[in-house]
Amino acid sequence: AQSVSQHNHHVILSEAASLELGCNYSYGGTVNLFWYVQYPGQHLQLLLKYFSGDPLVKGIKGFEAEFIKSKFSFNLRKPSVQWSDTAEYFCAVNSGGNTPLVFGKGTRLSVIA
Amino acid sequence: DAMVIQNPRYQVTQFGKPVTLSCSQTLNHNVMYWYQQKSSQAPKLLFHYYDKDFNNEADTPDNFQSRRPNTSFCFLDIRSPGLGDTAMYLCATSKTNTLGVRTGELFFGEGSRLTVL
Repeated sequence: AQSVSQHNHHVILSEAASLELGCNYSYGGTVNLFWYVQYPGQHLQLLLKYFSGDPLVKGIKGFEAEFIKSKFSFNLRKPSVQWSDTAEYFCAVNSGGNTPLVFGKGTRLSVIA
Repeated sequence: DAMVIQNPRYQVTQFGKPVTLSCSQTLNHNVMYWYQQKSSQAPKLLFHYYDKDFNNEADTPDNFQSRRPNTSFCFLDIRSPGLGDTAMYLCATSKTNTLGVRTGELFFGEGSRLTVL
């Protein structure tokens, strides 16, 4: 069964610092990859997704993620974080088609002034 | 705005007392999901409906049931809640393309936080 690992439980950054959140998955075949974000008091919402094509995916709010197949990774990046990026970030993967979406445990990002 | 609404947002129940959580959507999506998320853990899929077809995950306890009376509504019934069922319950929807394949993007409600005492 597919599994997803997010290695950082809680990340604290100062405003304008660069961000990289790690995500690794276990399944080696076809995968669809997602990052979801949950701002305080709000619902989970899609940040970006990868199905195929260019492995560097651009999302909303200046986020991007790079799919590296050889490393089974889909790390999330942002060059310069803002206080409003404080949220919980979830990586999720499915094996294509109608297979279930499997989530990682999430990484809590706290951005301080 | 089209959205996914969950009620109640917070529910406290006693051990063994049945509870029902509801989810409604105005997105007209044909797939609806229930996830359970315990503290500091990943959301875990309990089951989902593809139109009227119910799909239970293999490790979902029998204590958890679901109903989908129409496209817009889906219910999660916990027949005899135990202390271990304290969690956030997330409802989500998705749609399929013309070939019946899900697009993969899930639209979530804000969750129902259940506490079992």
